[in-house]
Amino acid sequence: GQQLNQSPQSMFIQEGEDVSMNCTSSSIFNTWLWYKQDPGEGPVLLIALYKAGELTSNGRLTAQFGITRKDSFLNISASIPSDVGIYFCAGHGVGTSYGKLTFGQGTILTVHP
Amino acid sequence: EAQVTQNPRYLITVTGKKLTVTCSQNMNHEYMSWYRQDPGLGLRQIYYSMNVEVTDKGDVPEGYKVSRKEKRNFPLILESPSPNQTSLYFCASSRDRGDEQYFGPGTRLTVT
Repeated sequence: GQQLNQSPQSMFIQEGEDVSMNCTSSSIFNTWLWYKQDPGEGPVLLIALYKAGELTSNGRLTAQFGITRKDSFLNISASIPSDVGIYFCAGHGVGTSYGKLTFGQGTILTVHP
Repeated sequence: EAQVTQNPRYLITVTGKKLTVTCSQNMNHEYMSWYRQDPGLGLRQIYYSMNVEVTDKGDVPEGYKVSRKEKRNFPLILESPSPNQTSLYFCASSRDRGDEQYFGPGTRLTVT
């Protein structure tokens, strides 16, 4: 089946630093989504990307849909303590996998004040 | 408020005792799905439904059943729970199969 490789697995940063994480796959995806999960809560959608090459921002967050349709990255600028959580990439496959949402294994972000 | 709700949020049960986790959405979404989340394995899809009376298996359907009799509800049924089904379960919905999914708050299930 389709797999997403998300990296890094965890990050420990100082408040104010920028953060970058990415997802790659051997398969093509139609959609890339980025979610954040706080402890004890469900994932919350941060950014949705629908077109290859698309670059989208949401406040301090910026994400891009790779031109090959096999990768995506998420950047967080000027991190703050409330950015702490687990970040997941997810993608909708193509063909028989269309509509099936595959998740990366997550990046655990810790921000030190 | 647009949302996906799940009940119960926490459940401790014993092996073999049938249980149902309910899921409801108020966004008139066509597509609904169940996931389980386990440490190191991420989120894995159990079952999904593209519309009323249309359901299909995800990646890890063994030991689970679902039904979609109404558009807004998508219950997850464990006929005979086993300890390996101890997990954190999420229901999600989206307008259509290829759209962004919105998640419920989760149900933490422990089977002893």
